[in-house]
Amino acid sequence: EIVLTQSPGTLSLSPGERATLSCRASQSVSSSYLAWYQQKPGQAPRLLIYGASSRATGIPDRFSGSGSGTDFTLTISRLEPEDFAVYYCQQYGSSPGLTFGGGTKVEIK
Amino acid sequence: QVQLVQSGAEVKKPGASVKVSCKASGYTFTGYYMHWVRQAPGQGLEWMGWINPNSGGTNYAQKFQGRVTMTRDTSISTAYMELSRLRSDDTAVYYCARDLHSSGYGWFDPWGQGTLVTVSS
Repeated sequence: EIVLTQSPGTLSLSPGERATLSCRASQSVSSSYLAWYQQKPGQAPRLLIYGASSRATGIPDRFSGSGSGTDFTLTISRLEPEDFAVYYCQQYGSSPGLTFGGGTKVEIK
Repeated sequence: QVQLVQSGAEVKKPGASVKVSCKASGYTFTGYYMHWVRQAPGQGLEWMGWINPNSGGTNYAQKFQGRVTMTRDTSISTAYMELSRLRSDDTAVYYCARDLHSSGYGWFDPWGQGTLVTVSS
């Protein structure tokens, strides 16, 4: 099973700043089958990025994903107030199952 | 619009079973795999498995094998997840989520609103 490690655990930033979130896999993620989700308190996760770098429908272009192999990054170019949330990465290219990272909380500084 | 609506919160005693439903609308139910993911209070996301609504085939995470059963009723576009022999550490919000890939190994969109299952004596 592929283990995903997200860092940092918490990111304290101000609105307008750039956020860089990391997701590292214990082994190579095939075909960049990696997704990112945003979750706000009391809500279900929302898909942001799939295929490591493709934005989901309706996602603002301040969100971007990059990376391949074992190292992936989610970047939020300029934080808006509604972007403060928890972010999860997920790999889906590996049998027997899909796995999620432990999450990164982006909080207001 | 594409929507997944789950059944309401449940309170169960240890050793009991719970069955959560997920009704799909706005798309062809049999055209996309459905996954179940859970989230314990204050914790991260844990994948439980998927069902292929077309064939009824399933794939469960090893951790849940023997305790989880995923089924579907295509006549009402609804998927079900039943978890048996409940323990206190099964207390969590359970989500269904549609798989946008064709193989059951894909990314999830949308997610249901979640169903809180509380296991307590």
